[in-house]
Amino acid sequence: EAQVTQNPRYLITVTGKKLTVTCSQNMNHEYMSWYRQDPGLGLRQIYYSMNVEVTDKGDVPEGYKVSRKEKRNFPLILESPSPNQTSLYFCASSFRRGLGSYNEQFFGPGTRLTVL
Amino acid sequence: QKEVEQNSGPLSVPEGAIASLNCTYSDRGSQSFFWYRQYSGKSPELIMFIYSNGDKEDGRFTAQLNKASQYVSLLIRDSQPSDSATYLCAVNLNIGNQFYFGTGTSLTVIP
Repeated sequence: EAQVTQNPRYLITVTGKKLTVTCSQNMNHEYMSWYRQDPGLGLRQIYYSMNVEVTDKGDVPEGYKVSRKEKRNFPLILESPSPNQTSLYFCASSFRRGLGSYNEQFFGPGTRLTVL
Repeated sequence: QKEVEQNSGPLSVPEGAIASLNCTYSDRGSQSFFWYRQYSGKSPELIMFIYSNGDKEDGRFTAQLNKASQYVSLLIRDSQPSDSATYLCAVNLNIGNQFYFGTGTSLTVIP
């Protein structure tokens, strides 16, 4: 089954304790992204990647790191989490289409993170 | 100014009516436009995309794009209670992977 998986699905942690949220896709997609979703602010892109070893900052990258060492995996790293990073996080993947086409994203199930 | 703006609603329509959802965007370089549906507690799922001016129909859904006015809309005909969800408008700035989403419009279809 084609899918994007995220782990963990739920996480409660404390300020300053490093954590990693994993994201994996089995569709051989080149493109992957991380988003956070907050009430009233919608989905905001944190980082995106267009291929292995190619990552770019999205709209809200502060406090986050990513890496893309393999095509299928795109982990999100919070080196020193703070309470303002409490949010619902989504990973998404898509494949590169040609000029004049579109980029359909497939989303993972989400990770609800609480930082105390 | 936000890149993508939507009326947050809530929007309520009776079953069988047409629901009209609207979205405006600020970057004239935007290439493609998407409507996602998100049920409470679930991840967004794509229901329509459009990248040319005009209308695009898919079943009960019609997306409309007007690049001159920087406006995208979604019409849902014969609305069903199962259409009750939050609808997210998204803009892809180029053929790459940078996206901006609106805050979503909550739709309730009343049986």
